[in-house]
This record gives sequence, C-alpha cells and structure tokens, in this order.
Amino acid sequence: GAVVSQHPSRVICKSGTSVKIECRSLDFQATTMFWYRQFPKQSLMLMATSNEGSKATYEQGVEKDKFLINHASLTLSTLTVTSAHPEDSSFYICSADQGELNYGYTFGSGTRLTVV
Amino acid sequence: GESVGLHLPTLSVQEGDNSIINCAYSNSASDYFIWYKQESGKGPQFIIDIRSNMDKRQGQRVTVLLNKTVKHLSLQIAATQPGDSAVYFCAEKGVSRYSTLTFGKGTMLLVSP
Repeated sequence: GAVVSQHPSRVICKSGTSVKIECRSLDFQATTMFWYRQFPKQSLMLMATSNEGSKATYEQGVEKDKFLINHASLTLSTLTVTSAHPEDSSFYICSADQGELNYGYTFGSGTRLTVV
Repeated sequence: GESVGLHLPTLSVQEGDNSIINCAYSNSASDYFIWYKQESGKGPQFIIDIRSNMDKRQGQRVTVLLNKTVKHLSLQIAATQPGDSAVYFCAEKGVSRYSTLTFGKGTMLLVSP
C-alpha cells in the first residue's frame, strides 16, 4: 500500500532558529501534499496545500513567510518553520494525495516539534 | 460511558463490547467521508470510508453509517479490543477532486481489558 514517510519524528530547537520537516511519498507520486498542525487533544487543522512545481496554498490565518513549503518533486514536500517560537511547538503531520482514482489520503507519522 | 473532556470526548468500553462513535459533520455538500484512527504520537490511519450515495458500509469489524438528512456519521466497532484504544476522527470532503479534507473534533476510545 501507499506509504508516506515523514522525518524527523521529533525535533527540539531553540527559539529563533528554523526547522525543516520532510514528507516523502515512497511508492507513488504525489502532485499534491498537505500539511496539518495538531495541538494536544485537538483535531488536525489544515495549514496548507503543497503543489508540485507551484506555490503552496495556505489556509486563512497561516503565515506563509513563517511556514515555508517547497514541493520540488513528485515525491517530496518540505515544511520549514522559520524563526521558531515556543508557540510553534506542536505536532505537524503531512499527507499525500494518492491520485485520481483514490480520494483517500495517506498520512505520515508526524513530527513533534518542541521550541525551547 | 461517554464523557466530554476539556477538548476531546471520551468513550470508555469493556473489551468485547461493541463501540459506537458518532460524528456530526458540517457541510451538507460533502460527498466523501472517512474515519481515521490515531494512536498517540502517530499520524492518522485510514479505517473505512463511505460516499454520499451510500448509507452503510462494512469492513472487518467496523461499520460506517451515514445519515445525510441530519449530517451524521457513525463508526461501529464490533467486539472492541484493547488495541482499538485510540482517538477516532471523522473527516469530510467535497465533490471536487481538489477539495480538502476537514476533520471533526475526534473521540477518544478507551478499552478496558
């Protein structure tokens, strides 16, 4: 079945630094990937839609200059949290669209970001 | 029994019981619905899906019911096992190929041995 690999699974960084999270589709090509953020005991909130070869589409209230998304190939999207602050600490999850015939999405295993 | 916590409602059942998790979705135009299971520290895992032209779909030990009239979705888990303990989310999606998934609030299922 379709597998999405997300890396790293956990990261701790200092305030003011940047962190990059990778999302790879391992056995299929994904023209579209999605980035979510999840706070403890809450649901997943869509941050942005990552489109291969074009600019990402950000949801309302998500700062595009703070959360940089790059989707340079059909199997890789990256999310960079720039100038991280403690309030950016959260669980970040990516998912990939498996294609026209399957409306389902495969999710990565998530990245726990802690900003100290 | 079912209780509502600060953010996440919780359903506590005994092993072997049948569990029913409910979800009220928001968009009457949604065409596709998915139930996900999320274990602590992991990403959501697909359980079962259903399209709006159906009202019931069965999988292995799981059944999803859709009532479009009242915008209600339920997930039934038969013979619940301790390994079923997790947070369950419903998600809805529109007709368009490019519409995005919207997640519900989630329900924590706790299964006691």
